[in-house]
Amino acid sequence: AQTVTQSQPEMSVQEAETVTLSCTYDTSESDYYLFWYKQPPSRQMILVIRQEAYKQQNATENRFSVNFQKAAKSFSLKISDSQLGDAAMYFCAYRSGNTDKLIFGTGTRLQVFP
Amino acid sequence: NAGVTQTPKFQVLKTGQSMTLQCAQDMNHNSMYWYRQDPGMGLRLIYYSASEGTTDKGEVPNGYNVSRLNKREFSLRLESAAPSQTSVYFCASTPGGLAGVYNEQFFGPGTRLTVL
Repeated sequence: AQTVTQSQPEMSVQEAETVTLSCTYDTSESDYYLFWYKQPPSRQMILVIRQEAYKQQNATENRFSVNFQKAAKSFSLKISDSQLGDAAMYFCAYRSGNTDKLIFGTGTRLQVFP
Repeated sequence: NAGVTQTPKFQVLKTGQSMTLQCAQDMNHNSMYWYRQDPGMGLRLIYYSASEGTTDKGEVPNGYNVSRLNKREFSLRLESAAPSQTSVYFCASTPGGLAGVYNEQFFGPGTRLTVL
């Protein structure tokens, strides 16, 4: 069975600085997707970024980028120029290529200090 | 489009009471999901419905039942609530269909349930 591990329960960053959130996963599949979701205090789950396993290029969405290391089964999220609005829970998630079901990590709470 | 809606937003139950959480989507999606979120556990899949008329167990189905009433609606029922079911419940939907095709999963706003 696939598993997703987020080893950092909490992280903090100064406004305008850069922070990296870690995620590792375990799978024997070759076709899969990886995601980072943001959950602000409103509880709404917001998709931040996704990565297809077959793509070698790391995904980027504005200030958010990933470091996808397929051989190491690592999928970290880098947030550049951190803003107060980035404060939230961040979940890493895995999806097999032949299903729409998501497997989530336990989350990392990010605090942003002015 | 309202997207995925859930009712109620908050609920307090006593042990042994029953209730149904409602979920509806207006995006004509085939697949719908129920997750629960607990501190330190992330989101875990309770039940899902790949298409109208079908339902399957997820990771933590015990104590729950579901009904896919039609393509739009997917309800979650607690027949006899227990304190261990205190959690935040999320409904989600996705277009579904072809395997290997990326389909984003859209989430509702969640229901915070407390069982005393």
